[in-house]
Amino acid sequence: AQSVAQPEDQVKVAEGNPLTVKCTYSVSGNPYLFWYVQYPNRGLQFLLKYITGDNLVKGSYGFEAEFNKSQTSFHLKKPSALVSDSALYFCAVRDSGAGSYQLTFGKGTKLSVIP
Amino acid sequence: EAQVTQNPRYLITVTGKKLTVTCSQNMNHEYMSWYRQDPGLGLRQIYYSMNVEVTDKGDVPEGYKVSRKEKRNFPLILESPSPNQTSLYFCASSFGWMGETQYFGPGTRLLVL
Repeated sequence: AQSVAQPEDQVKVAEGNPLTVKCTYSVSGNPYLFWYVQYPNRGLQFLLKYITGDNLVKGSYGFEAEFNKSQTSFHLKKPSALVSDSALYFCAVRDSGAGSYQLTFGKGTKLSVIP
Repeated sequence: EAQVTQNPRYLITVTGKKLTVTCSQNMNHEYMSWYRQDPGLGLRQIYYSMNVEVTDKGDVPEGYKVSRKEKRNFPLILESPSPNQTSLYFCASSFGWMGETQYFGPGTRLLVL
């Protein structure tokens, strides 16, 4: 069975500082990994994904994430946080193995960027 | 405009009164899915569909039904709603089910009294 963990319910960072939102996963095959963001009273928006290839993935709004197979992690990062980055962030995983049609989400991490 | 639409956006109902939440996409996507979002639990998949007439259970299917008679539509049916189905529901779609990005609807907030 596939699973994903976001160990921090909340992350607070000062504006201008780098931010990291953590994600670890468990799959039996190779993972397809995604980050989505949810602003208040809105649906989820896609940020970035890792399918194969370069371990460092760049996405929307200056975000990036690094796939680390040995640590089964896919942490979301941004060099300089903005107040407008404050939102709920979800990591998701899909097992690339045959017969896996589900996308499993983590519980979410609330990011607060302090002015 | 490419989008996933859901109706209604807000719904208050009573226990046992059948309801349907509609979902429609205009991107010719094959894969569609329903999720519920609850505080502290994140998003959990209810049902998904790989194509017309092909559906399967997700992690929390109890109390829900779906159908996929047309490619663009994927309604969620609660035949006898209960208070534990009070939640925020999202429909999503994508071209396929492997590495493709899912596009989410705006959500339907349901309160079952």
